[in-house]
Amino acid sequence: QQQVKQSPQSLIVQKGGISIINCAYENTAFDYFPWYQQFPGKGPALLIAIRPDVSEKKEGRFTISFNKSAKQFSLHIMDSQPGDSATYFCAASTDKLIFGTGTRLQVFP
Amino acid sequence: KAGVTQTPRYLIKTRGQQVTLSCSPISGHRSVSWYQQTPGQGLQFLFEYFSETQRNKGNFPGRFSGRQFSNSRSEMNVSTLELGDSALYLCASSRLAGGSYEQYFGPGTRLTVT
Repeated sequence: QQQVKQSPQSLIVQKGGISIINCAYENTAFDYFPWYQQFPGKGPALLIAIRPDVSEKKEGRFTISFNKSAKQFSLHIMDSQPGDSATYFCAASTDKLIFGTGTRLQVFP
Repeated sequence: KAGVTQTPRYLIKTRGQQVTLSCSPISGHRSVSWYQQTPGQGLQFLFEYFSETQRNKGNFPGRFSGRQFSNSRSEMNVSTLELGDSALYLCASSRLAGGSYEQYFGPGTRLTVT
């Protein structure tokens, strides 16, 4: 019940396209859902986060969509750029972060 | 504002030895959490310290321990190292924002056990 399931494991997108990464959870006590971006050799960087009382949050090219009834949330990267190539992790939290397994995104020019 | 710093960045140890990793949080952040990242298990929560007290603990054996000092700096210790302890150890400091604790990660310490 503490798991966060993330898909796909890897994603290849052309420059300018939309990248979509999905996550699902079981524990309805989770009250904070962040996304992290990690480049090789670096720690994860907080990208954007949402609370369950909001269905969508947008920051620049990054949007989180949240479906409380389905217990799913997703990250959309609009106008994907080669510099977005990284591993993305979703997470959910009550008192500690539970991470998804990660999605390796490759954006080709 | 300086980010989370971790030392050392790289470490090679032998089975059976012990190791101490250090983390300095972002100035003003009082909570420090530790995570282990491996290709097989992903990112797993080790423990969290707040105001020098362990506030939360993950499912790791007692060989993994930590502490926090009065200046919020934190250390984690792993005793009797095993090959499976080879991993990237990440420290994150937290601030309360909008009712939730936002966690900011350091670059990690890459531990290799031979």
